[in-house]
Amino acid sequence: DVKVTQSSRYLVKRTGEKVFLECVQDMDHENMFWYRQDPGLGLRLIYFSYDVKMKEKGDIPEGYSVSREKKERFSLILESASTNQTSMYLCASSYVPDQTTYEQYFGPGTRLTVT
Amino acid sequence: GEDVEQSLFLSVREGDSSVINCTYTDSSSTYLYWYKQEPGAGLQLLTYIFSNMDMKQDQRLTVLLNKKDKHLSLRIADTQTGDSAIYFCAESMVDTGRRALTFGSGTRLQVQP
Repeated sequence: DVKVTQSSRYLVKRTGEKVFLECVQDMDHENMFWYRQDPGLGLRLIYFSYDVKMKEKGDIPEGYSVSREKKERFSLILESASTNQTSMYLCASSYVPDQTTYEQYFGPGTRLTVT
Repeated sequence: GEDVEQSLFLSVREGDSSVINCTYTDSSSTYLYWYKQEPGAGLQLLTYIFSNMDMKQDQRLTVLLNKKDKHLSLRIADTQTGDSAIYFCAESMVDTGRRALTFGSGTRLQVQP
């Protein structure tokens, strides 16, 4: 069973703070993703990484950065948190298959509130 | 560009069938997925269909794909209260090299006893 864990389920931070969200997967997956989920907007891709130290911007990268120093761990960093970054953050991973399905496995999510 | 659209809400009575619809715009989609999100949890893959298929059935779930109209549906037979959740449609476009999925906004299914 693939397991994707996220460091916190709930987080409350103040405006301007630096925030780290951690994600760990235990299945040796190459690809890891960070999404944010907002009501009525679905999931929007922030960043993804297809290998250690490799990263690519997703659809909404502004205000975020990422770090992938080890294959199993992918961190999302909010350099200076703002109230419009209050959201549910979901981490996912997938492997690079011989076939073409790109099934993603999700963590339980971190609900971040910025006050 | 990619765009996946779903209606936001569906309410059904227990025992009835539920049909959740999704439209997508990119004809290069290779796989189309249905994910389920229960309250307070991450997303869980329910089923997927390859773009050269018209239908896939898995127990109470039936997926129909109309590639001409770019329309995907998920039918849940004999809907139970445990099926109450948000259902996301998603697509992958392997040919473009984009490894991430593009998700719809999600349909909240409410099952009334």
